[in-house]
Amino acid sequence: NAGVTQTPKFQVLKTGQSMTLQCAQDMNHEYMSWYRQDPGMGLRLIHYSVGAGITDQGEVPNGYNVSRSTTEDFPLRLLSAAPSQTSVYFCASSPLLGQGYEQYFGPGTRLTVT
Amino acid sequence: ELKVEQNPLFLSMQEGKNYTIYCNYSTTSDRLYWYRQDPGKSLESLFVLLSNGAVKQEGRLMASLDTKARLSTLHITAAVHDLSATYFCAARVPGNQFYFGTGTSLTVIP
Repeated sequence: NAGVTQTPKFQVLKTGQSMTLQCAQDMNHEYMSWYRQDPGMGLRLIHYSVGAGITDQGEVPNGYNVSRSTTEDFPLRLLSAAPSQTSVYFCASSPLLGQGYEQYFGPGTRLTVT
Repeated sequence: ELKVEQNPLFLSMQEGKNYTIYCNYSTTSDRLYWYRQDPGKSLESLFVLLSNGAVKQEGRLMASLDTKARLSTLHITAAVHDLSATYFCAARVPGNQFYFGTGTSLTVIP
């Protein structure tokens, strides 16, 4: 049982490049989400999903796309990277019902855009 | 949009002392979470509070929720060095969006 996994751990991009951050969970959780963490600002929700085929925007969705084709995977795509997207990205999952509704976070991806 | 305010932002406390971190949120929320984050690490779930008057305790940490006042507290009893970390509260609004506070950086000094 690996929990929530994220790849890569570190990434450096040039402005304008695109990339996909991977997130997978093996707990059969319906809910998955992406956050970014910037110094002094806590975590902010980018996109979330309540099940395969269902996604929605969070607080800061601009510049990011997501899809959810399976319960396990929830990739985050940066379409054209900008320096303002330099941040630490966390993926999280949780059940929608029962089990205390606890959110489980992945180890994070540290992204630098130059 | 829900606003979550934590205070204090920075807390330096002596070992053995007690202190409370406060988390205020601006609109109705149906779940309140507390997390711990060590430097360079991910977030670890501490507590999930689901109803008014809920109180949960784990070791030297106790969390409570007052939904009428839109206030949650994280109380630290007899602090030890191992509790040094950043603590976040987060509130969920109906519709599955979560809003985090800016965090409280706790340093416990001998």
